[in-house]
Amino acid sequence: QVQLVESGGGLVKPGGSLRLSCAASGFTFSDYYMSWIRQAPGKGLEWVSYISTSYSTIYYADSVRGRFTISRDNAKNSLSLQMYSLRAEDTAVYYCATTNNWGFDYWGQGTLVSVSS
Amino acid sequence: DIQMTQSPSSLSASVGDRVTITCRASQSISNYLNWYQQKPGKAPKLLIYAASSLQSGVPSRFSGSGSGTDFTLTISSLQPEDFATYCCQQSYSTPPTFGGGTKVEIK
Repeated sequence: QVQLVESGGGLVKPGGSLRLSCAASGFTFSDYYMSWIRQAPGKGLEWVSYISTSYSTIYYADSVRGRFTISRDNAKNSLSLQMYSLRAEDTAVYYCATTNNWGFDYWGQGTLVSVSS
Repeated sequence: DIQMTQSPSSLSASVGDRVTITCRASQSISNYLNWYQQKPGKAPKLLIYAASSLQSGVPSRFSGSGSGTDFTLTISSLQPEDFATYCCQQSYSTPPTFGGGTKVEIK
């Protein structure tokens, strides 16, 4: 069955960097757009970024553009999010999810990123 | 960006009740509206896509309707496992945006 497993979260100081990974299995990863979506503690969902199947289309939320970089390796069935210049407001659970015109159909369990001094 | 507004933000209901949650978009999004269920500490789960299509494996007591700017999620007979937060999301344009959520609690 479809499985998405995020890793790489943790505690980081403001201004620091972190790289999140998402390992995919149970489906043809290269056929799916993929997204990162985050949820701050006690808050709603916020889409962060998505990447097309062939890397040709990438979008970012205004709140992270210029600080975060999404990438994927279709040969390794993996998705990544490199985060730089982290701020307290980036504290959230980060989910990876398969993406199509009709929403986000499969989600990982999430990985917690905490930005604090 | 398209703003998604849900109401109510929370509601109390009993097992067996019919529950209706509404979602309004700040501009027309045709039928590019999706609904998710989220339980505490868990990832969201897609329930309804394209405003009214039931995701595979989702019980038929869940239904969605609407088009343009106004949408509704209905649970025909609330079950104990349905107590959760429900959230709408538009996939009409980038960035995709979510409603603030509706928490369904036990009365």
